[in-house]
Amino acid sequence: GQNIDQPTEMTATEGAIVQINCTYQTSGFNGLFWYQQHAGEAPTFLSYNVLDGLEEKGRFSSFLSRSKGYSYLLLKELQMKDSASYLCAVRDRNYQLIWGAGTKLIIKP
Amino acid sequence: ETGVTQTPRHLVMGMTNKKSLKCEQHLGHNAMYWYKQSAKKPLELMFVYSLEERVENNSVPSRFSPECPNSSHLFLHLHTLQPEDSALYLCASSQDPSGGAETQYFGPGTRLLVL
Repeated sequence: GQNIDQPTEMTATEGAIVQINCTYQTSGFNGLFWYQQHAGEAPTFLSYNVLDGLEEKGRFSSFLSRSKGYSYLLLKELQMKDSASYLCAVRDRNYQLIWGAGTKLIIKP
Repeated sequence: ETGVTQTPRHLVMGMTNKKSLKCEQHLGHNAMYWYKQSAKKPLELMFVYSLEERVENNSVPSRFSPECPNSSHLFLHLHTLQPEDSALYLCASSQDPSGGAETQYFGPGTRLLVL
């Protein structure tokens, strides 16, 4: 079966750095997405990786290693507004998105 | 209105009721999706429409019935639901369902409670 694993919950301090990991086992690979979802709101797109390496977008970076079936989302200079759930999703060989259950990130002052 | 909108935002219904969820996208996209999101579980894809044709139905019970009258509107008709159907129902749209880097844009969801 297809599976995406990510930690259920993480806690970090305002101003710090946090890394949210995602491992996947899917039938084929056509890209990996990270989405942010604040409580009671829509998931919003953060990043897309299809080649190995690091993609940087301001305070957020996303890394992919296809050989290891592994990605991480790195958040720097954490702000209180970064408290949200972070969803990892992989597009399989049929271009279907397989979703993880999300990581709830709690930021403390 | 911009992006993807959904109504109602909250819905409480009995198991014998019939109700409909509505989704509208203002992005000019060709594909629309219904997802179910339950607490601490991955998003579950329910239905995909591309150019108003249903292209995927992930073994969803017949008590959920989708309708896509045009590329901007998507409905989910509900009847004789069960308490385990209580969840957040999310609508999304994208330019092309089979595109490589295609991003899905989500609506805010309808929080459904079945009593």
